[in-house]
Parts: sequence; C-alpha cells; structure tokens
Amino acid sequence: QKEVEQNSGPLSVPEGAIASLNCTYSDRGSQSFFWYRQYSGKSPELIMSIYSNGDKEDGRFTAQLNKASQYVSLLIRDSQPSDSATYLCAVDSGGGADGLTFGKGTHLIIQP
Amino acid sequence: AAGVIQSPRHLIKEKRETATLKCYPIPRHDTVYWYQQGPGQDPQFLISFYEKMQSDKGSIPDRFSAQQFSDYHSELNMSSLELGDSALYFCASSLGFSSYNEQFFGPGTRLTVL
Repeated sequence: QKEVEQNSGPLSVPEGAIASLNCTYSDRGSQSFFWYRQYSGKSPELIMSIYSNGDKEDGRFTAQLNKASQYVSLLIRDSQPSDSATYLCAVDSGGGADGLTFGKGTHLIIQP
Repeated sequence: AAGVIQSPRHLIKEKRETATLKCYPIPRHDTVYWYQQGPGQDPQFLISFYEKMQSDKGSIPDRFSAQQFSDYHSELNMSSLELGDSALYFCASSLGFSSYNEQFFGPGTRLTVL
C-alpha cells in the first residue's frame, strides 16, 4: 500500500514569512514528486515537480527532496494571502502513465 | 495556454442512473488520467490511458468504465450510480509515457447523486 503523509494543519503563517510544508512517502521506489495547490472547490494546480535529491527553485517556491529519508518539502518565501490554500503532495511510483498517490493535503493560512 | 476541458461541469443524477463524463486533454497530450475527490478527501486515482490503451488502474469500481478515443479525448461511464459516487471528478493530461511527466488537471465535473 503506497502511502503519502502530510500534516493536515491548518498551518498559519504571517504574511511575508516563509511557509514550510512537509511530506513523507512509503514507497522507496518512487521516482517523481509533485506539489499541487488546491483552492476550495477548484482543481489541483501544479506548482512544482522534483525528481532528484536536492533543491529545486522556481520563483518564491523551493522544493526539496531527500530520497534516503523518503521526504519531500515545499518552501514558500514571502508568503502572500493568495497563497492560502490546501497544498497536496503527490508521488508517482514509476512505470509510465501511472496515477499519482496524493497525501491528504496541508491547509495553509497566510495571515495578513 | 489551452487547458484540459471537462464536460459537463455539474451533473445531477438519481440513484441507479448512468452518467458520462467527458475530458478533452491539452492539445498534443496523449495521456489521460481520471481522479475522484470526495468531500474533504484527497484525489483518488481511478484509471489512465496512453495512446488509447488502458495504462494503469486504480480504485475504479466495476460499475465504471472508461476509454480514450482516436482524438485523445476520454469518457468516463458510470452506471448504477450510488449516493457515495457524489464527488468531484477530475481529468488530468500529460505528454508521453513516463513517470516524469507532469499531470495537468481540468476544472472537474461535480457529480451529485440524489
């Protein structure tokens, strides 16, 4: 059973601060890792993808991957109220057009 | 940029009825995925297709079937609907057959079963 674990929150962060979101996964063979943002009632929106150990930066977002620890994280710098949403960690275990396994999501609240 | 298109956006059905959801992937994308998201839940993978062939199968009930057509659009057919089928149904698309491909989600179809 592939599992992806996230702290459900809510995680409350002051505007302008750094928000740190964490995710662990159970399948050691997992190859691809994704962070999606989802506003209530809307579809998941892809923010970041990461495939190899280390950091990957895109604007205010940084994804970090540690395959040995089976750990993925997302940092959001200069947090804005519009960043308030649920952040879903998703894992692809490989094999082609496989479905993603999602965590239950972390609800992030940016306080103005 | 063109996105994934899903229709209808909202659908209301009675128990034991059937429903058909349609998905039009991003142009040039050849892989389609279906997900179900219940209230307060994370998206659950149902089924995927690559080049019109079923690729991966998740927690799709036997009452559901899906296919991908020659123009790469996909349809999810749902029969003998149950109250528990009420959920958001998302289609996602990607380009190519690889676990490194990013999946882009459509706006979803909200199905309500009464």
